[in-house]
Amino acid sequence: KAGVTQTPRYLIKTRGQQVTLSCSPISGHRSVSWYQQTPGQGLQFLFEYFSETQRNKGNFPGRFSGRQFSNSRSEMNVSTLELGDSALYLCASSSETSGSYYEQYFGPGTRLTVT
Amino acid sequence: AQSVAQPEDQVNVAEGNPLTVKCTYSVSGNPYLFWYVQYPNRGLQFLLKYITGDNLVKGSYGFEAEFNKSQTSFHLKKPSALVSDSALYFCAVRALNTGGFKTIFGAGTRLFVKA
Repeated sequence: KAGVTQTPRYLIKTRGQQVTLSCSPISGHRSVSWYQQTPGQGLQFLFEYFSETQRNKGNFPGRFSGRQFSNSRSEMNVSTLELGDSALYLCASSSETSGSYYEQYFGPGTRLTVT
Repeated sequence: AQSVAQPEDQVNVAEGNPLTVKCTYSVSGNPYLFWYVQYPNRGLQFLLKYITGDNLVKGSYGFEAEFNKSQTSFHLKKPSALVSDSALYFCAVRALNTGGFKTIFGAGTRLFVKA
């Protein structure tokens, strides 16, 4: 099976712009989560989608949003970019249909740099 | 509050020696515990998990972890370290919060294995 794919891999944007990141989960996986990874804050949970519904979200401002499509592909959007949004954004998929004990499979990430 | 702590930012070990990467957690209810590894410029890879049963769980690349309920710990171990084990290791717990289940990651421990 192909792994989790994320596009683009690298992105440079300027402050005030918006950006959309894409994630394709492993075939058959219906749960997709997004994380922000920075050297200072570590891995921070953004949100989780399951069957096109946001199931949970972290403590990020409303500028961060996401969605999931019927084929389980997911996108996250960041509007009005700030310098502090520079980070590695990781997407992870899981095969869980219910319950919570399934491991996650991560994509390689999108490295976003805001200048 | 539910949390995961990795008390060591960095662990140094000589090749061939045993290694331990420490993790403690605080959650309400039964914990679902995971270890992930991150190599440079890559996403996280699943190593192993504890859901229930035997306190010693075995995972990929010869790693194992010991669940200790009384000490709320889930330390990662390997009997004989390899230089190729050098990477960033994350402990994680899947916990129930108000919005549903969420994965909480520790801050990460960087492992250096010296030849």
